[in-house]
Amino acid sequence: DAGVIQSPRHEVTEMGQEVTLRCKPISGHNSLFWYRQTMMRGLELLIYFNNNVPIDDSGMPEDRFSAKMPNASFSTLKIQPSEPRDSAVYFCASRPNTGDGYTFGSGTRLTVV
Amino acid sequence: KNQVEQSPQSLIILEGKNCTLQCNYTVSPFSNLRWYKQDTGRGPVSLTIMTFSENTKSNGRYTATLDADTKQSSLHITASQLSDSASYICVVTRGAGNMLTFGGGTRLMVKP
Repeated sequence: DAGVIQSPRHEVTEMGQEVTLRCKPISGHNSLFWYRQTMMRGLELLIYFNNNVPIDDSGMPEDRFSAKMPNASFSTLKIQPSEPRDSAVYFCASRPNTGDGYTFGSGTRLTVV
Repeated sequence: KNQVEQSPQSLIILEGKNCTLQCNYTVSPFSNLRWYKQDTGRGPVSLTIMTFSENTKSNGRYTATLDADTKQSSLHITASQLSDSASYICVVTRGAGNMLTFGGGTRLMVKP
């Protein structure tokens, strides 16, 4: 199993541009999570999906952030327009409905200049 | 308030030495507690997971303990290696299992 796959690994963009982060969860995992990690705030949950349906998006900072999960094998996190304060590492994680197996991807390091 | 507090924030030890990292939590209802290792530039990787009824679990040189009464956990690293240099994050799962509360992590540096 290749694990949770995120792309790109690094993204540098100019303020105001649209950014799309991608995640492929582990096959068979029913829940998918998007996290943001910064030095100041540590790991914060942004949104999670169960069976492709958004369950809790209370962590999404503002309307500039949106996430979709069109099918069980793919999810995107979009920031439009991006701002310098969005600079962080964004992690995707997935888990099955039963048992543990909570697995993180390697993250996308986003820098907005 | 559901919180997870870790100490120390950072730690430097010499290769071969042992160390113990601490985690206190106030998360309720408690489901399980995980310790993750996060190498620089990588995602967190699970080391151990313990439920309410478990008070110790080992993974190689890593041994985690849990006292559910005092809501404390520790991670003990034996005979440290340079590759142990990383951040160690204590994570408590609340309720049905999808809501994780993260500690701020302990940054460990092992020096030769």
